[in-house]
Amino acid sequence: AQKVTQAQTEISVVEKEDVTLDCVYETRDTTYYLFWYKQPPSGELVFLIRRNSFDEQNEISGRYSWNFQKSTSSFNFTITASQVVDSAVYFCALTVEGNTPLVFGKGTRLSVIA
Amino acid sequence: EPEVTQTPSHQVTQMGQEVILRCVPISNHLYFYWYRQILGQKVEFLVSFYNNEISEKSEIFDDQFSVERPDGSNFTLKIRSTKLEDSAMYFCASSEGRVGVGADTQYFGPGTRLTVL
Repeated sequence: AQKVTQAQTEISVVEKEDVTLDCVYETRDTTYYLFWYKQPPSGELVFLIRRNSFDEQNEISGRYSWNFQKSTSSFNFTITASQVVDSAVYFCALTVEGNTPLVFGKGTRLSVIA
Repeated sequence: EPEVTQTPSHQVTQMGQEVILRCVPISNHLYFYWYRQILGQKVEFLVSFYNNEISEKSEIFDDQFSVERPDGSNFTLKIRSTKLEDSAMYFCASSEGRVGVGADTQYFGPGTRLTVL
């Protein structure tokens, strides 16, 4: 069975600060896929990134970056120079091969204060 | 950009009533899913659907629930006799299901907030 742990329930930062959201996963499968989704106050789930287990390259997209470390089973998400619009709940999720269901973490609520 | 749509955005019903939640997945996607999120909690899988049949379901998806793809575009979730604890946000998702790709990204609709009184 798969499991995703997001130990940080809530984080509050001041605008322009950098913030890292932690995600630790568990799976016995050697091939798996990790995701981050953003849930803004309006409630929808917005896809941010997909990473497969055989690609450990870190990724940067604008102010967002992701650090995937198989050795520690972590897939952390950093927002650089945070903005108020980044305020949302962020979910890390995991699935394995075969278009199987996503297993979500409990989410981290990020509040960015102006 | 193609997106998953869901109707209605908010449904209020009385306990014991039947509700049907509707979804239009992205047109070339082959896998469809329903998830739910009780207020303030994590997103939980209900059921997945492929090739006109259920491919996987969770323990939550009991006999009160059913899914259907009545035509080429809609994907519905029916709750036969709603209970108070069915109050949640229900998300539909779809993925492309490409051959040779282990797991395609699931794209989510905006959700239907179901309130059972």
